[in-house]
Amino acid sequence: AQKITQTQPGMFVQEKEAVTLDCTYDTSDQSYGLFWYKQPSSGEMIFLIYQGSYDEQNATEGRYSLNFQKARKSANLVISASQLGDSAMYFCAMLMEGRDDKIIFGKGTRLHILP
Amino acid sequence: NAGVMQNPRHLVRRRGQEARLRCSPMKGHSHVYWYRQLPEEGLKFMVYLQKENIIDESGMPKERFSAEFPKEGPSILRIQQVVRGDSAAYFCASSPRQGRSGANVLTFGAGSRLTVL
Repeated sequence: AQKITQTQPGMFVQEKEAVTLDCTYDTSDQSYGLFWYKQPSSGEMIFLIYQGSYDEQNATEGRYSLNFQKARKSANLVISASQLGDSAMYFCAMLMEGRDDKIIFGKGTRLHILP
Repeated sequence: NAGVMQNPRHLVRRRGQEARLRCSPMKGHSHVYWYRQLPEEGLKFMVYLQKENIIDESGMPKERFSAEFPKEGPSILRIQQVVRGDSAAYFCASSPRQGRSGANVLTFGAGSRLTVL
């Protein structure tokens, strides 16, 4: 069954340190995409980064990078030089191109950045 | 170019009433997804539609919930005879389907927060 697993319900990190948020996925599809979204306390969903299953290079967007390990079916988000404004919920999601583009989400990780 | 518009932002209903949540996708987007989020939880897939067609409704409860995306007008998520357990944030997101890449694959609305008294 298609599934996204985020095993860290909450994390506390010191400001300016790097953070890795874990995400593993389960799919039998060959073509899929992986996303990360940020949800601050205000509630909106903010797109961070996207990785296609056929992309050979790991995706990067500013301080965000996606550590894509296809054989392990993991798509961890790395935030470099964390800032207080990074405190939020983070969701990993998967686009299943073989299933009419259904998109499912993990349960999220709540990240707290400490001053 | 307006983003995904959801209304109402907040809706209060008494048990047994009906709730209608509307979603206007981004211009040029042909597909709409609906998700439900309970407090401190992730987004649970409900339904995925294109104009006049439901593509996947595997996440919709079998009773009381329905969704449509008519040829004209917004997509509507309808909850009949609401119960307290329906209290949640309901997010809509739209997708262009063709020419997707990265950030434009899925654009979210601000959500509609339903409270059932």
